[in-house]
Amino acid sequence: AQKVTQAQTEISVVEKEDVTLDCVYETRDTTYYLFWYKQPPSGELVFLIRRNSFDEQNEISGRYSWNFQKSTSSFNFTITASQVVDSAVYFCALSEPPGAGNNRKLIWGLGTSLAVNP
Amino acid sequence: DTAVSQTPKYLVTQMGNDKSIKCEQNLGHDTMYWYKQDSKKFLKIMFSYNNKELIINETVPNRFSPKSPDKAHLNLHINSLELGDSAVYFCASSQGSSTATDTQYFGPGTRLTVL
Repeated sequence: AQKVTQAQTEISVVEKEDVTLDCVYETRDTTYYLFWYKQPPSGELVFLIRRNSFDEQNEISGRYSWNFQKSTSSFNFTITASQVVDSAVYFCALSEPPGAGNNRKLIWGLGTSLAVNP
Repeated sequence: DTAVSQTPKYLVTQMGNDKSIKCEQNLGHDTMYWYKQDSKKFLKIMFSYNNKELIINETVPNRFSPKSPDKAHLNLHINSLELGDSAVYFCASSQGSSTATDTQYFGPGTRLTVL
């Protein structure tokens, strides 16, 4: 069965610390995509990154970086030198294998709530 | 230029009432979704439409009825509201529905409170 596990429910750090949010997935697909979304206190859901299963290169975008390791079925997200504005709930999601009509859904983790304190 | 917009942002109503939430996307996407996010932040897909056709219909009470007048709009009508319907409802859109590449973009959410 397809599943996304974000084992860390809540993380609290002090500004400027580095923090890694874990995401472990299970899938029977050989081709799949992984996503990270951010939900700040204002409530909207913001797309951060999409990574396909064939591309295991790490991705860096400013202070954000993502480590995709197929061998451990993990797609971890690191924030370097965290800032108060990084405080949010972060969701990891996995594309589900196509169902009826070849339609796919996303399987969502339960989210990790990150609090960055000044 | 809001990509996915929802109205209203907040909705407070009494049990038993009927209410609607509207969603519009200007991204030119073919697929739109409704999600429900409960108080524990769990995201659950409710419905999805592709080019006005219902393609995903999860186990949702039939008091919830989506309507897509065109591919840029997806509305959600809820009859006989119950306390348990209180949640944040998100609309989302994606280019298509059948490939794993389709990133979903979300609206700002509608916080529904049923009293």
